[in-house]
Amino acid sequence: AQSVAQPEDQVNVAEGNPLTVKCTYSVSGNPYLFWYVQYPNRGLQFLLKYITGDNLVKGSYGFEAEFNKSQTSFHLKKPSALVSDSALYFCAVRDLYNTDKLIFGTGTRLQVFP
Amino acid sequence: DVKVTQSSRYLVKRTGEKVFLECVQDMDHENMFWYRQDPGLGLRLIYFSYDVKMKEKGDIPEGYSVSREKKERFSLILESASTNQTSMYLCASTADRGFTEAFFGQGTRLTVV
Repeated sequence: AQSVAQPEDQVNVAEGNPLTVKCTYSVSGNPYLFWYVQYPNRGLQFLLKYITGDNLVKGSYGFEAEFNKSQTSFHLKKPSALVSDSALYFCAVRDLYNTDKLIFGTGTRLQVFP
Repeated sequence: DVKVTQSSRYLVKRTGEKVFLECVQDMDHENMFWYRQDPGLGLRLIYFSYDVKMKEKGDIPEGYSVSREKKERFSLILESASTNQTSMYLCASTADRGFTEAFFGQGTRLTVV
């Protein structure tokens, strides 16, 4: 069965420091991976996706993610965190047996301190 | 701007009531989804639809039903609301059966008392 894991419930980082939000996946075959962000009392917003090609994917708001097939990981990164990046982040993987079904992780709360 | 609109941001209903959550998208998307979001559990798929009048069960369909009479509208129905259905409900849509990203509504926070 396809699945995605976010091992950290919360990540704390100081403003200006680099941030990483971790995601690992389990799929049979090639994975299709996504990151979404949710601000308080809002729906989810798409950040970036990996379908194929370059392992480093760039997305919205200066975020990027690195696909690592050998480690089955798709970690979200940003070189310099902003207080406004504080939000809930979800990793998702496409269910290959049902190509429009997104399977979500449990979410990681990012807190950026001034 | 693409838009997915959920009819209510907040709802309070009584146990046993029949509850309708409405979702409308203006992007002519084929696929629509209903998720519920609970702390520590992420997003769990309740039902989805690939076309008008077509529906498929997700991971947690018990206690819910859906209706899709028009392409742009996907309704979630709680036949007899219970307190364990208190949650945030999120509607989403995607363009096709390919690998496009999903667009989400703003969410409906439902409280069943």
